Amino acid sequence: LAKTTQPISMDSYEGQEVNITCSHNNIATNDYITWYQQFPSQGPRFIIQGYKTKVTNEVASLFIPADRKSSTLSLPRVSLSDTAVYYCLVGNSGTYKYIFGTGTRLKVLA
Amino acid sequence: DVKVTQSSRYLVKRTGEKVFLECVQDMDHENMFWYRQDPGLGLRLIYFSYDVKMKEKGDIPEGYSVSREKKERFSLILESASTNQTSMYLCASTSAQDRTQGEQFFGPGTRLTVL
Repeated sequence: LAKTTQPISMDSYEGQEVNITCSHNNIATNDYITWYQQFPSQGPRFIIQGYKTKVTNEVASLFIPADRKSSTLSLPRVSLSDTAVYYCLVGNSGTYKYIFGTGTRLKVLA
Repeated sequence: DVKVTQSSRYLVKRTGEKVFLECVQDMDHENMFWYRQDPGLGLRLIYFSYDVKMKEKGDIPEGYSVSREKKERFSLILESASTNQTSMYLCASTSAQDRTQGEQFFGPGTRLTVL
């Protein structure tokens, strides 16, 4: 299973765009990249998933370069309510296993 | 709206007690998971089940067992609770139709304290 590496924490201000990069050097051909958000005292919540290039939904964008060894979650114009821990995962249906690392603790300041 | 519920938000037990954590999902999902979450260690997979009565060990199954008698319910059992099992326990489910199995739906968690 591919291991992921993310920054432990980040600070940002309201209204800014936040980019969180995840490194996954050993990603396998069949692996997808998935991001979750977790608020205190809640379970993680799925944000976005991709395989290559760029994926965008109503919440975020996910950028994946051609070599797929890293990915970047982009949160446009963050607000205080985006303060949370963000997890990057890689995995595929063949294993049923996704590794949740320690995540990135994002703090949005007023 | 999809929902995963866990029987308790907070639980306090004594060392040596048998502990049952229940998880129920209303999405008719085939796959269910139990994780524990500890500071600095992220989420770690304890067990998962891909069908009724089927189970597979995750990364840290020692000291735990599971039961899946009905599709919607997945139970985590601590046969003899120990203080090092004090943790947040999270249940999740996914549909077998989800080709990547990446979109897991989580419950709110049970914070278990073993004294």
